[in-house]
Amino acid sequence: QTVVTQEPSLTVSPGGTVTLTCASSTGAVTGGYYPNWFQQKPGQTPRALIFSTNNRHSWTPARFSGSLLGDKAVLTVSGVQPEDEADYYCLLYYSGAWVFGGGTKLTVL
Amino acid sequence: QVQLQESGPGLVKPSQTLSLTCTVSGGSLSSNYYYWSWIRQPAGKGLEWIGRIYASGSTNYNPSLKSRVTISLDTPKNQLSLKLSSVTAADTAVYYCARDFSDWGRGTLVTVSS
Repeated sequence: QTVVTQEPSLTVSPGGTVTLTCASSTGAVTGGYYPNWFQQKPGQTPRALIFSTNNRHSWTPARFSGSLLGDKAVLTVSGVQPEDEADYYCLLYYSGAWVFGGGTKLTVL
Repeated sequence: QVQLQESGPGLVKPSQTLSLTCTVSGGSLSSNYYYWSWIRQPAGKGLEWIGRIYASGSTNYNPSLKSRVTISLDTPKNQLSLKLSSVTAADTAVYYCARDFSDWGRGTLVTVSS
């Protein structure tokens, strides 16, 4: 069974930069896994941030960026705002099936 | 702006079949540009992809759920449906429908309990 792994929790100061990672149990994450990133605040529906590794949706603030680093997909948040405190999920594609990571709880403190 | 709205019974008995509908407005299910997914989230836990369907009717399912899941389209009604058979308490979750993964419904809570 394929497992997608994210940091359970991260803490960042307002104005700082934080990197969230997304790893695959099958090996290195490449563009062919079409990494997606989502933000979910308590009691809300998940909101798509990034698709196909590094593409922002029209509503995604520029401080959010996606990339590949080493063997992982990463989401970088630069100039973190208090409203960025949320759960973040990555999503990877495996030959017809999609698998979510377990999520990262980002605390802005 | 496409909108999606999930609906269905909020309570299902164990061993029965969970049936949900997602009504789409502001967009057509018959468009070949998109696929339509179901995703679920147990309370306090992470997201789980259930499956997806294209306008052609082609489907892909989560291997762990494949034996129990059916996703279908009712194009004239602009609705997609989810059926999950032989449910247990582990299937209790908020169920979301989504277009690609960009646009999501608000979700509907389904509880499996006798």
